[in-house]
Amino acid sequence: EVHLVESGGGLVQPGRSLRLSCAASGFTFDDYAMHWVRQVPGKGLEWVSHIRWDSGSIDYADSVKGRFTISRDNAKNSLYLQMNSLRADDTALYFCAKGVETGDLNAFHGWGQGTMVTVSS
Amino acid sequence: DIVMTQSPDSLTVSLGERATIHCKSSQSVLYKFDNKNYLAWYQQKPGQPPKLLLYWASTRESGVPDRFTGSGSGTDFTLTISSLQAEDVAVYYCQEYYSVPYTFGQGTKLEIK
Repeated sequence: EVHLVESGGGLVQPGRSLRLSCAASGFTFDDYAMHWVRQVPGKGLEWVSHIRWDSGSIDYADSVKGRFTISRDNAKNSLYLQMNSLRADDTALYFCAKGVETGDLNAFHGWGQGTMVTVSS
Repeated sequence: DIVMTQSPDSLTVSLGERATIHCKSSQSVLYKFDNKNYLAWYQQKPGQPPKLLLYWASTRESGVPDRFTGSGSGTDFTLTISSLQAEDVAVYYCQEYYSVPYTFGQGTKLEIK
């Protein structure tokens, strides 16, 4: 069974940094693209970033480009999101998800429970 | 960016009745080379992460009841719940994964009448 567990969220001041992690189990991690998606409580879903299985293709939403960096360690079955220059509008619940199939363009499957990031002074 | 627009924003249906949610994309999500629609539907219950229901517009994810059906192609898609159950109360989202930034619809809140 696919199991994704996000961690690293918390309360942080504007302009500071935070690193999120996503621990994966129950599937062959290095076969799948991975994604970060965020959701302001009570609001809709916003895709944040994507990384291909081999880290050979990486994309970001315009709202985080230049501030966030996605990475993965296939040996550790882990996905990361380095978040720099955080702003109040980055406040959200951050989910990681895997592609439903191998390959790059895929629906998002096996979402974790999320980790909350609150940016406030 | 592709804009995904769902209708209605909210829906109230009686138990056992049909529920229909529409999703329209601002440009086609049908990839001509594989003839697949890069469109997914998710269900999100309160306090839970989204759950994938359907992908490639009409392929049901493993374990999803067959009362959930996806249809449509190109720019117009529909999620149909054939006989509403109490556990189907949730917010439903469509999403394109045809091109970055993989946008989601605004969500449709489904409630029981």
